Amino acid sequence: AQSVSQHNHHVILSEAASLELGCNYSYGGTVNLFWYVQYPGQHLQLLLKYFSGDPLVKGIKGFEAEFIKSKFSFNLRKPSVQWSDTAEYFCAVTGGYNKLIFGAGTRLAVHP
Amino acid sequence: GEEVAQTPKHLVRGEGQKAKLYCAPIKGHSYVFWYQQVLKNEFKFLISFQNENVFDETGMPKERFSAKCLPNSPCSLEIQATKLEDSAVYFCASSQTQGITDTQYFGPGTRLTVL
Repeated sequence: AQSVSQHNHHVILSEAASLELGCNYSYGGTVNLFWYVQYPGQHLQLLLKYFSGDPLVKGIKGFEAEFIKSKFSFNLRKPSVQWSDTAEYFCAVTGGYNKLIFGAGTRLAVHP
Repeated sequence: GEEVAQTPKHLVRGEGQKAKLYCAPIKGHSYVFWYQQVLKNEFKFLISFQNENVFDETGMPKERFSAKCLPNSPCSLEIQATKLEDSAVYFCASSQTQGITDTQYFGPGTRLTVL
C-alpha cells in the first residue's frame, strides 16, 4: 500500500532562514505528488504538484520541491522564510481512484 | 460557488447519537472526496463520488458511516450511533475531473466532537 512519511513534525525557524521539509513516499509505480499548506484557521491550499517532466517544481509563494525518484523523495524548499509562512505543511501522493494519501504533516513556526 | 462549503463548522454529539455533515462542492466540479483527520494526524480517505455515484468507498467504515451526493443537494456524510473515536475534523474536497493532473480543493472542515 502507498504511504507518505514526513520526517519533521515540528520545525522552528527565524525569518530569512532557509527551509527544507522532508517527504518520502512508498510506491513503485508512477506517482503524482503534492504539497498542501494549512494556515492557522484556514483551508488546506495547494502549494505545488508534480505529475511528470521537470523534477524541480515551482509553486506559489516562493516554494519549490524536487522529485528524486531514486530516493522516493519530494522535499519542499524555500530559500528565505517569512513569519507569514507559519502553518502546517502536508505532503501527499495520489492513490487509486485519485484519492490523496497524506503524510502526518509538519508544523512550521517562523519567528520574527 | 467558488469555494467548497461545509456545514456545520462544529458539531457536538453524545455517544450513540447521529451526526450529519454537509458539503457543497465548487460549481461545475463532478468529484467529491471526504477525508477524516483525527487529532491533527494524517488525513484518512473515506469515500469519493462522481456526481451522485460512489466512485471509491474503500476507506469507509461500513457499519456506521454512510454518504450520499444527490442532484441539486449538498453531499452528506452521516454517522449513525457515534463513538468517541469518531471525534475528528471531516474535510470535503472537490475536483473538476478525475484526471491525474486535477487539483482537489478543500473545504474548511467540520469539527465533530463526540462526548
